[in-house]
Amino acid sequence: DGGITQSPKYLFRKEGQNVTLSCEQNLNHDAMYWYRQDPGQGLRLIYYSQIVNDFQKGDIAEGYSVSREKKESFPLTVTSAQKNPTAFYLCASSIDRGLDYGYTFGSGTRLTVV
Amino acid sequence: AQTVTQSQPEMSVQEAETVTLSCTYDTSESDYYLFWYKQPPSRQMILVIRQEAYKQQNATENRFSVNFQKAAKSFSLKISDSQLGDAAMYFCAYRSSRAGGTSYGKLTFGQGTILTVHP
Repeated sequence: DGGITQSPKYLFRKEGQNVTLSCEQNLNHDAMYWYRQDPGQGLRLIYYSQIVNDFQKGDIAEGYSVSREKKESFPLTVTSAQKNPTAFYLCASSIDRGLDYGYTFGSGTRLTVV
Repeated sequence: AQTVTQSQPEMSVQEAETVTLSCTYDTSESDYYLFWYKQPPSRQMILVIRQEAYKQQNATENRFSVNFQKAAKSFSLKISDSQLGDAAMYFCAYRSSRAGGTSYGKLTFGQGTILTVHP
């Protein structure tokens, strides 16, 4: 079955460490997105990519980095520069030309700083 | 930039009753899409319903319907015959359809409304 796989489901990070969240899709979608979810703030866009080898900053990109070397994969690295990384992270994808289809979401990764 | 506002942090409804969740948005564009997503305790985001701005007819999906007021920039979700499984966080979202614009393709979300369904 087609879908988006995020791993790991839970991730713990020590202060000063970089960690990478995985996002893989087999839907042949062109565009991929990373969102951060905090209580009371909804979902905020971190980075997005509409084609391979190209990506753009979202609203809260500071302290994060991404790559898009393959159409299927869009990993997110949370760097030590991100001062408050504890949050729930959601990856999504969409057919770029089909704007009315909305997004397909992964099941998320819960990141906690210990 | 577009903004989406959900003014009801929490709502509750009795099973089998009807509830309406509010959403307003701000945009200078004329063509766009609006969505309601459901996030149950599993935290998996599920698309509930979508509306194209150029369509005057309100979208309907089984027990879910919207009241789309373009001039007022309002997009409320009505859930009829509420069921226990409807309990979730509900997000309203906006997506620009203007190709080449900085917001093209990106979903902007509201803050969410937690819906509790009482048996």
